[in-house]
Amino acid sequence: GAVVSQHPSWVICKSGTSVKIECRSLDFQATTMFWYRQFPKQSLMLMATSNEGSKATYEQGVEKDKFLINHASLTLSTLTVTSAHPEDSSFYICSAVQGYNEQFFGPGTRLTVL
Amino acid sequence: LAKTTQPISMDSYEGQEVNITCSHNNIATNDYITWYQQFPSQGPRFIIQGYKTKVTNEVASLFIPADRKSSTLSLPRVSLSDTAVYYCLVGPQAGANNLFFGTGTRLTVIP
Repeated sequence: GAVVSQHPSWVICKSGTSVKIECRSLDFQATTMFWYRQFPKQSLMLMATSNEGSKATYEQGVEKDKFLINHASLTLSTLTVTSAHPEDSSFYICSAVQGYNEQFFGPGTRLTVL
Repeated sequence: LAKTTQPISMDSYEGQEVNITCSHNNIATNDYITWYQQFPSQGPRFIIQGYKTKVTNEVASLFIPADRKSSTLSLPRVSLSDTAVYYCLVGPQAGANNLFFGTGTRLTVIP
């Protein structure tokens, strides 16, 4: 099946710094990618929809200036957490869409902000 | 997107068949039912998708009654490695549409 990778798999940073997370579709082109966030013992929460070549669409309550999304190519979307704070510590998961079939999820990136 | 309701948690012994039921009373005509599995610190993994009646693959079966207001994921002869959270999602065929995950069912398989 289709493979989606994320890099890094985990990251620890100091409060106030910015962190970039990459999401790649390895063997297919994805016009649409999604970014989710998951806190411990909770479900996935959709943050934004990323479309190649256009601005991302953010869900209500998600700050677009804090969570910068760039979908520069059909195989890469990046999420940058700017000026990270401890409350941003979470598990960030991306997914990529192949055609109109199922979404393929990445393995996730665990962000810890000290 | 139709809201779904699942049991929060379930326990089962190894080797037993596990059935997880999901309620989706407001399912729309063009909605599909999709189940995902998630292990700790991993992304969700697609298990099965169906529209009506019964769907079976090498991993599970999905039973959908005629009114489609509920569905049941059936896992035959579970093993310890099936311990995970199982999510039921309802919406247009999961392609270019974002997915809204409910609470999921935390299945614990006991030796």
